[in-house]
Amino acid sequence: GDSVTQMEGPVTLSEEAFLTINCTYTATGYPSLFWYVQYPGEGLQLLLKATKADDKGSNKGFEATYRKETTSFHLEKGSVQVSDSAVYFCALSDGGSGNTPLVFGKGTRLSVIA
Amino acid sequence: DAGVIQSPRHEVTEMGQEVTLRCKPISGHDYLFWYRQTMMRGLELLIYFNNNVPIDDSGMPEDRFSAKMPNASFSTLKIQPSEPRDSAVYFCASSPRVWSNGGNEQFFGPGTRLTVL
Repeated sequence: GDSVTQMEGPVTLSEEAFLTINCTYTATGYPSLFWYVQYPGEGLQLLLKATKADDKGSNKGFEATYRKETTSFHLEKGSVQVSDSAVYFCALSDGGSGNTPLVFGKGTRLSVIA
Repeated sequence: DAGVIQSPRHEVTEMGQEVTLRCKPISGHDYLFWYRQTMMRGLELLIYFNNNVPIDDSGMPEDRFSAKMPNASFSTLKIQPSEPRDSAVYFCASSPRVWSNGGNEQFFGPGTRLTVL
């Protein structure tokens, strides 16, 4: 079945450091890819998404590019802030003809220190 | 829109008691999902509905768990009897109808933190 593998955390960075969180996937179809973020005490919220190969999703300084050849969707940010401390989830939806549920990775906890 | 609403936000109960979690999806969304999040197992899909009809409940852990969606604006997840291992954060999410390229966004509620003593 479909699956998502993301790097295990926790990841601790200093403010203004460069962030990469790796995500790879396996899917039987042609999935859409997502990054969700969960701030402490809150539900998940969509950070960015990409629906086809070579698409780049971006939001709040975060970027991820859909790489079909390497089945990857790595999350990057050039300069992290303390407010970026959260848990980040990579996910896919192998939609086909219906709205199938998201398949989530296990999440990567990011802590940014001042 | 107020977003997905869940109640209660926190629930503490004793083993053996019945627990009911509630969810109000975003108006107009056709899909509703129930998830459970624990440190050990991460985020797990329990069940999802399309137009109030359960589509896949294979993630429901056992018969103690049941979910209903009597109408488009309300869903419940019930645990009876509850056990300490049910302690987790339970999320409800809703989603509009799929787009042609698949993979529509899901909107999550704030979750219900359940503690079973």
